Amino acid sequence: EPEVTQTPSHQVTQMGQEVILRCVPISNHLYFYWYRQILGQKVEFLVSFYNNEISEKSEIFDDQFSVERPDGSNFTLKIRSTKLEDSAMYFCASSEVGGLGTDTQYFGPGTRLTVL
Amino acid sequence: DAKTTQPNSMESNEEEPVHLPCNHSTISGTDYIHWYRQLPSQGPEYVIHGLTSNVNNRMASLAIAEDRKSSTLILHRATLRDAAVYYCILRGMDSNYQLIWGAGTKLIIKP
Repeated sequence: EPEVTQTPSHQVTQMGQEVILRCVPISNHLYFYWYRQILGQKVEFLVSFYNNEISEKSEIFDDQFSVERPDGSNFTLKIRSTKLEDSAMYFCASSEVGGLGTDTQYFGPGTRLTVL
Repeated sequence: DAKTTQPNSMESNEEEPVHLPCNHSTISGTDYIHWYRQLPSQGPEYVIHGLTSNVNNRMASLAIAEDRKSSTLILHRATLRDAAVYYCILRGMDSNYQLIWGAGTKLIIKP
């Protein structure tokens, strides 16, 4: 069964450093998403991406964050200057369709980001 | 997307059926009811969705009330592997792209 993969599984970085989290969505999916979950809290939406453009973003997704689909298979989330409060699990998801009642999002296993 | 209400936690015995309720009294006529779950230390996982009729798949069944103001996710024979947080999420036909997550129901399975 096709699945979303994410690398690395765990990333440790120093405050102020740049990090890039990588995701390989399911191959025939066209919509891509990043969510995050701070330990013990709810899952929070960051951004959705379609046709090489951001289609929706949350207030969390400020200028420190960017997303890119550098090739036909990868989808990345970059945090330019990490803060302590960026420590969280980051989940990538993809879906065949988006913005409809029937769209189903498939999630990767997550990357645990620890900012020291 | 309309709001949903779920119990914070539920317990069930292994190999028994589990009924997880969700109230969505402000649901609109075109809102789909989706269920996701998150196993410990894993990413969320799609379970099932429906609009008006009851739905079955290999993971679970979804029973939707006639007035659509509530629904129930049914796990027919719970295993220890079904211990997770279960989320009920409404998705409109013209909904935003994001999934809006509540606190969900933490399902505890007793051996």
